[in-house]
Amino acid sequence: DVKVTQSSRYLVKRTGEKVFLECVQDMDHENMFWYRQDPGLGLRLIYFSYDVKMKEKGDIPEGYSVSREKKERFSLILESASTNQTSMYLCASSLASGRTDTQYFGPGTRLTVL
Amino acid sequence: AQSVAQPEDQVNVAEGNPLTVKCTYSVSGNPYLFWYVQYPNRGLQFLLKYITGDNLVKGSYGFEAEFNKSQTSFHLKKPSALVSDSALYFCAVREYNYGQNFVFGPGTRLSVLP
Repeated sequence: DVKVTQSSRYLVKRTGEKVFLECVQDMDHENMFWYRQDPGLGLRLIYFSYDVKMKEKGDIPEGYSVSREKKERFSLILESASTNQTSMYLCASSLASGRTDTQYFGPGTRLTVL
Repeated sequence: AQSVAQPEDQVNVAEGNPLTVKCTYSVSGNPYLFWYVQYPNRGLQFLLKYITGDNLVKGSYGFEAEFNKSQTSFHLKKPSALVSDSALYFCAVREYNYGQNFVFGPGTRLSVLP
């Protein structure tokens, strides 16, 4: 079974703090994704990476950055957290062997910014 | 541009009755279509996907979905609902030859009443 893990299930931070969200997958997947989930909006893509050190912006990259130094690990960084970044953050991974491949999701991190 | 609509925020059904969760999509070319389920405080779990071939796709937990190209729909169905099916359901589309990103619908909350 594919396993995608995220470093924290719940996180509370203060406005202006730097926040790191970590994601690790154990299936040697090339692609990794960060989404945020908000009620009524579904999932929106923040960034994705198709290889080590490679990244592409998704639909809502503003206020976020990412890092992928190793194939299995994809980090989401909030440089200066703001209250409108309070959300559920989901990491996913998939193979790059074809565009039909399924994305596998981690359990999510619920971030609250006070 | 790709888009997905789930016209119902909430679907209520009695246990043992058939259920349908609706999804319509818009893409320029050929679609790849997916259904995911999210249980409370969990990440998304893959249910099924349509890539090509038979319009009726069978997936996990007794779910199936029917691809209808003329109506641009991909409705999720189950012949007999269980209370344990209560969850949030997401439809997603990826357009052939349009990168590796999914576009997710806003989600439909299914409540199965005992």
